[in-house]
Amino acid sequence: DAGVIQSPRHEVTEMGQEVTLRCKPISGHNSLFWYRQTMMRGLELLIYFNNNVPIDDSGMPEDRFSAKMPNASFSTLKIQPSEPRDSAVYFCASSSPDNEQFFGPGTRLTVL
Amino acid sequence: ELKVEQNPLFLSMQEGKNYTIYCNYSTTSDRLYWYRQDPGKSLESLFVLLSNGAVKQEGRLMASLDTKARLSTLHITAAVHDLSATYFCAVDKRALSGGGADGLTFGKGTHLIIQP
Repeated sequence: DAGVIQSPRHEVTEMGQEVTLRCKPISGHNSLFWYRQTMMRGLELLIYFNNNVPIDDSGMPEDRFSAKMPNASFSTLKIQPSEPRDSAVYFCASSSPDNEQFFGPGTRLTVL
Repeated sequence: ELKVEQNPLFLSMQEGKNYTIYCNYSTTSDRLYWYRQDPGKSLESLFVLLSNGAVKQEGRLMASLDTKARLSTLHITAAVHDLSATYFCAVDKRALSGGGADGLTFGKGTHLIIQP
């Protein structure tokens, strides 16, 4: 299995632009998670899905952030408009019931 | 609100020595995970601890869970340079929510440097 796939791996954009991060979970996993990692705040859960349904989005920092999972093999995290404080590494993870979460390689986002 | 505290946050040790990293969490849970992260890399799953008294070992690393004390430990035996990394513990709120898979709350991580 290829593991969790994320794209792009690096994104540099200017303040105000829309950013879309993509994730393909491991086949057969029914839960998908989006995390953000920064030096100041560490690893934070943003949102997660079970069976493509959003369960808890309380970690989404602002309305500028949105996430979708249209099918079992694809999810997006969108930031519109982006701000410099959104600069971070964004990880996607997936899991099957009662098992650990497997993390993707991450997307390093820089907002200028 | 679930809180997860690790200590120490930074540890420099010599090869061959033993040491323990501690992870305390604030509310009842019986699911705890340890991850390793190398600089600029993703998180690698090390251990999954799913019950009180669980103990797991892999090579020079051993993890344990005491749900009554809300404490997990990661013990390093005869450290080698290749174990230098940042180690995170994370707690699953599932025991509280009673539902399906749940998100993880991470500690701040222990930055471990092992010197020859």
